[in-house]
Amino acid sequence: GAGVSQTPSNKVTEKGKYVELRCDPISGHTALYWYRQSLGQGPEFLIYFQGTGAADDSGLPNDRFFAVRPEGSVSTLKIQRTERGDSAVYLCASSPGLSHRYGYTFGSGTRLTVV
Amino acid sequence: GENVEQHPSTLSVQEGDSAVIKCTYSDSASNYFPWYKQELGKRPQLIIDIRSNVGEKKDQRIAVTLNKTAKHFSLHITETQPEDSAVYFCAAQATGNQFYFGTGTSLTVIP
Repeated sequence: GAGVSQTPSNKVTEKGKYVELRCDPISGHTALYWYRQSLGQGPEFLIYFQGTGAADDSGLPNDRFFAVRPEGSVSTLKIQRTERGDSAVYLCASSPGLSHRYGYTFGSGTRLTVV
Repeated sequence: GENVEQHPSTLSVQEGDSAVIKCTYSDSASNYFPWYKQELGKRPQLIIDIRSNVGEKKDQRIAVTLNKTAKHFSLHITETQPEDSAVYFCAAQATGNQFYFGTGTSLTVIP
């Protein structure tokens, strides 16, 4: 596609529920990143995929968070047993290769609100 | 891991004046420093970047400087315009492929 697409744009869920957030990167971009941005803060790294594999998941806050990219394109971030502290904008970014050479293109984000 | 600090958190300037935003980083292995502009409710967009083998880079009204010895880098915007009003984030990349972002500077350009 022309840009990084994230769906839904907004998600309101009840505490304890399960949610899935989707990211569709720019076609041909091999690297995909998930970040979380809380109000008034900079994006915080969660996980990075190179192709189908998670190259670095050190930013995932706990085992309630999981992400997949089964075919090396679309990625899904999954959050189990959501908590109010999970409320944030979840940003996805993609890159054609090494980020220091190409930089990122961000999606518009999914605003998650846990009530 | 890398720790990026950014100052000031808010900045107001008169239209036509210059704005400077400063960032420091902790990991001497960091070698790439992008700057992103984020307008309210929109995605961060890359505006300029600098690599560790360069001390300064300029693109029209925007420039970035890097001091590797002191581990700090700065964004300079000259002849500011109201449309420059946004939140600006610095970032640093170390040995991994992810970026570590500063906490942002909310810039307001007063017409």
